[in-house]
Amino acid sequence: DTGVSQDPRHKITKRGQNVTFRCDPISEHNRLYWYRQTLGQGPEFLTYFQNEAQLEKSRLLSDRFSAERPKGSFSTLEIQRTEQGDSAMYLCASSHPTGILSYEQYFGPGTRLTVT
Amino acid sequence: RKEVEQDPGPFNVPEGATVAFNCTYSNSASQSFFWYRQDCRKEPKLLMSVYSSGNEDGRFTAQLNRASQYISLLIRDSKLSDSATYLCVVNSNTGNQFYFGTGTSLTVIP
Repeated sequence: DTGVSQDPRHKITKRGQNVTFRCDPISEHNRLYWYRQTLGQGPEFLTYFQNEAQLEKSRLLSDRFSAERPKGSFSTLEIQRTEQGDSAMYLCASSHPTGILSYEQYFGPGTRLTVT
Repeated sequence: RKEVEQDPGPFNVPEGATVAFNCTYSNSASQSFFWYRQDCRKEPKLLMSVYSSGNEDGRFTAQLNRASQYISLLIRDSKLSDSATYLCVVNSNTGNQFYFGTGTSLTVIP
C-alpha cells in the first residue's frame, strides 16, 4: 500500500499524559499537513510542512501541540499534558511537490485519540 | 465568520435524483477549491478540484463563482454508493492553510 499511513490507529490515554502520533506520507510527496477532526465537524487545519520546514501553524494551535518532520519524510505530532478536549481524530495528509496537483491532499486513516 | 460554510443537510434523495450542494467562503483571496467525500468513520477522499471554468467528472459537476464566493457540486443520477458526507475546501491567501466546511450529509434512498 503506497498511501499515507498513520500510527497508532487508536490511542487511549489519561488526562495529563503526553502522546505522540506518527505519519508516513506518500513517498514522493514533500508537502505534509496535520488536521484534527471532531464529530460533526470538518477537519481543522493544525500545521503544514514543506520538506522538513514547518511553514504554517494554526493560530488556534495550543503550545501543548508540537510537530516535527526532521528528515522531510515522516512526521510526528506530540500533544503534551493531554486534556479531555483533545479527544478527536488526528488526520495527516500529503500532497505532490509541484504544479496544479500540489494542493490536492491525500489523507491517511487517522489516529483516534480518546483522553479519559 | 467561518472561512467556509455549508448546509449540513441531511439531504435524503431517491436513487436517480439530481442533488446540488453549495458552499460559501469568506476569503476573496482563496485560489484553490476542492470537494472531498468522507464516508462514516473514514478519512476524507478527494472527489474533485474546482476550476474557474467549472469542471465535470462523470456524474459530478463542480462550479466556482468568485463574484459571489461560492462553489457548488452537482450530482446527477444519484447512486446508493454516493451516500456520504461531502466537504468543501478552500485555501488561505498564503495558499498553505486549508479550510474545510462542516460537510453536507447525503443519503441516497433505494
